[in-house]
Amino acid sequence: QKEVEQDPGPLSVPEGAIVSLNCTYSNSAFQYFMWYRQYSRKGPELLMYTYSSGNKEDGRFTAQVDKSSKYISLFIRDSQPSDSATYLCAMEDNNAGNMLTFGGGTRLMVKP
Amino acid sequence: IAGITQAPTSQILAAGRRMTLRCTQDMRHNAMYWYRQDLGLGLRLIHYSNTAGTTGKGEVPDGYSVSRANTDDFPLTLASAVPSQTSVYFCASSATEDQPQHFGDGTRLSIL
Repeated sequence: QKEVEQDPGPLSVPEGAIVSLNCTYSNSAFQYFMWYRQYSRKGPELLMYTYSSGNKEDGRFTAQVDKSSKYISLFIRDSQPSDSATYLCAMEDNNAGNMLTFGGGTRLMVKP
Repeated sequence: IAGITQAPTSQILAAGRRMTLRCTQDMRHNAMYWYRQDLGLGLRLIHYSNTAGTTGKGEVPDGYSVSRANTDDFPLTLASAVPSQTSVYFCASSATEDQPQHFGDGTRLSIL
């Protein structure tokens, strides 16, 4: 079993929809949680970074962390075609230095 | 524009050849990283460097070497390329080892 599980999709939604992307993890030592967006043939771009349970909002994006359930989510409100990309969750074990463990990514398609 | 520059953007290489992937950042970040991204396996850390003059092994270091002679440059060398090293290679950096990582746009490497 992988340390971080992420549904690969693809997830197809109409423009304007609320999107929910999720990751589950097994390592209770993970303390820092990140969401990256990756467009085709580009590098991952950091979207959200959080280290505590609860919600963090940035514009149309909300990151949610539930450490008790080992579950994190990224919500995208009013989704746009430009949001079409692969979304990667990543986690860091504070005891393992700066080594990130990534989910496999969820491909999102927002249709106009 | 500040960021990470990787070169070459793509390369086809015969098995057994030596290859160095270049990575340069102009953000004066202390920490730098090399990942490979493979379908179904996600991003996996190859090597990292927390500061100039130091390096460390990641999850999949075999067959790769790195050096960190200065803050800005972090080259990755394949001494004798094998087909299983066909992948997309991403360089990343962070201000310090406990800060979020930022990625370049990758090198697409095919070993024949």
